[in-house]
Amino acid sequence: ETGVTQTPRHLVMGMTNKKSLKCEQHLGHNAMYWYKQSAKKPLELMFVYSLEERVENNSVPSRFSPECPNSSHLFLHLHTLQPEDSALYLCASSQDNVGNQPQHFGDGTRLSIL
Amino acid sequence: SQELEQSPQSLIVQEGKNLTINCTSSKTLYGLYWYKQKYGEGLIFLMMLQKGGEEKSHEKITAKLDEKKQQSSLHITASQPSHAGIYLCGADRRVGNQFYFGTGTSLTVIP
Repeated sequence: ETGVTQTPRHLVMGMTNKKSLKCEQHLGHNAMYWYKQSAKKPLELMFVYSLEERVENNSVPSRFSPECPNSSHLFLHLHTLQPEDSALYLCASSQDNVGNQPQHFGDGTRLSIL
Repeated sequence: SQELEQSPQSLIVQEGKNLTINCTSSKTLYGLYWYKQKYGEGLIFLMMLQKGGEEKSHEKITAKLDEKKQQSSLHITASQPSHAGIYLCGADRRVGNQFYFGTGTSLTVIP
């Protein structure tokens, strides 16, 4: 139990569907992150939120749309995804976005695009 | 080019054996983190190293950061099946708490 909960754990969707991934942290942290993990590739940072403000968007396609309504919740809205978007999507949080702090990860959502 | 190189990519050891995983960077590391990931699950934070020459231990796992802060090693003593998984090193970018990760080392421990 890391204090970061992601739902759903598995998601299968067609390319024309719209779905959302949810992340909730119970650690009182101020920064939250979305990562993509594909086979044989390093973890890729997608988005960073600090105090509910987006501070980083690493050239992610617009078919991925993050939302951070408060410091405990983070969403990733998905629409018209491509087969290459199939991956494990991990959420993480840290106390702040200032460095020298470990990030705590959820168990991820395994996404499969048909 | 890969910013963090991990070696080996995979490792299979007999239970009870010692092993070492390496993480190398071409740049000075400002913070080095070790994580363990069980297949299909999230990352579990193991240790953080910040100072050159620093060494930390937790149970049978020891991590070191070299004096130049460009290489770290993770050593497991008397490995057990519970140590199996993927070990990832991650490092801080200089600005903000934004990590970049190595590709991971897959460890299998044979009972």
